[in-house]
Amino acid sequence: ETGVTQSPTHLIKTRGQQVTLRCSSQSGHNTVSWYQQALGQGPQFIFQYYREEENGRGNFPPRFSGLQFPNYSSELNVNALELDDSALYLCASSLSGRPTGELFFGEGSRLTVL
Amino acid sequence: AQSVAQPEDQVNVAEGNPLTVKCTYSVSGNPYLFWYVQYPNRGLQFLLKYITGDNLVKGSYGFEAEFNKSQTSFHLKKPSALVSDSALYFCAAPTSRGTDKLIFGTGTRLQVFP
Repeated sequence: ETGVTQSPTHLIKTRGQQVTLRCSSQSGHNTVSWYQQALGQGPQFIFQYYREEENGRGNFPPRFSGLQFPNYSSELNVNALELDDSALYLCASSLSGRPTGELFFGEGSRLTVL
Repeated sequence: AQSVAQPEDQVNVAEGNPLTVKCTYSVSGNPYLFWYVQYPNRGLQFLLKYITGDNLVKGSYGFEAEFNKSQTSFHLKKPSALVSDSALYFCAAPTSRGTDKLIFGTGTRLQVFP
């Protein structure tokens, strides 16, 4: 069973730039969620994708966008980066139809915005 | 709005002693509640969940949690702490019933001393 993998693990960008983060979901999982974890905070829900459609969104501006592909992998895109976007971005996969709250997380992509 | 709170930023306990990590909740209806653990530089791992039924829920690595409706609490417990239990612990609840979109507490750092 393949776990959730994310890339890149670390990256540094400057304010105003754009970034794309990638996630491969656990084998058999059709739902991907993205979370932002700022330093010293709990993860904050960004959005969820199911069958290539956005299926719920947290309190994040439109410059945070995503995609899900037919193989259930996903991307998180952030435009016009701000200093406060510096955080650990976590991808989590699950199997829709059985919402159990048991999410499988990747190790995250740590973004630093200078 | 659903919310969970973790009143302690850090809990220190000696190895072999019992540990408790506190969580209180504010959710509508019958709550679904979860505990996750985050080891250094890693993603989150699911520990246990309360959906319905017994108020004492058993999970991974010898952890258990006690659901108390009158006190709106869901404290994480372990009878005998290990140094390897040292990590960041998060309480969580769904943003709305029946979904996998979670709201997390701010986290409690558990330090187990030899």
